[in-house]
Amino acid sequence: QKEVEQDPGPLSVPEGAIVSLNCTYSNSAFQYFMWYRQYSRKGPELLMYTYSSGNKEDGRFTAQVDKSSKYISLFIRDSQPSDSATYLCAMKGRGSTLGRLYFGRGTQLTVWP
Amino acid sequence: DGGITQSPKYLFRKEGQNVTLSCEQNLNHDAMYWYRQDPGQGLRLIYYSQIVNDFQKGDIAEGYSVSREKKESFPLTVTSAQKNPTAFYLCASSILEGLTEGFQPQHFGDGTRLSIL
Repeated sequence: QKEVEQDPGPLSVPEGAIVSLNCTYSNSAFQYFMWYRQYSRKGPELLMYTYSSGNKEDGRFTAQVDKSSKYISLFIRDSQPSDSATYLCAMKGRGSTLGRLYFGRGTQLTVWP
Repeated sequence: DGGITQSPKYLFRKEGQNVTLSCEQNLNHDAMYWYRQDPGQGLRLIYYSQIVNDFQKGDIAEGYSVSREKKESFPLTVTSAQKNPTAFYLCASSILEGLTEGFQPQHFGDGTRLSIL
């Protein structure tokens, strides 16, 4: 079993839809949970991160962590064509060696006008 | 403008050839990383380095080698022993864990796409 599981999609939604992206994990030592966005032929860029459980909101984006279920989510409200990208979840333990990250496979999202 | 520069953007390798991918950062970060990304597979860690002249193997180091002679540079060599080198290679850097409190994100370059001729 991989440490981080993420459905690769693809996911295709109309503009304005609410998008839900999810990951599950198996390692209870993970404390930091990140979402990266990656446009085609580019490197990933950090969208948001959350420490431990709870919610975090940044504009149209909301990250949720449920440590009891080992489940994290990213919600995108009022999705735009410019949100079309691959979304990667990543996580790590606190004080883990060199801040080593464990990535999901990424979910490819297309938002059509 | 601080960031990570990877070159070249595209690279072709012949059979039996070693090729070197460049990664330079001007963020003054101590830690640097190399990842491999295959379609539908996410990012897999090849090598990482905390400090000049020191580096450790990641999950898929076989067929790769690195050096860290300068803080800002972390080149990756894909050797002929790597039988399936076709992939997108990403370099990242971060502030070293333990030097500061809290979360230290990894910053990525825009990658090098390597293909076999």
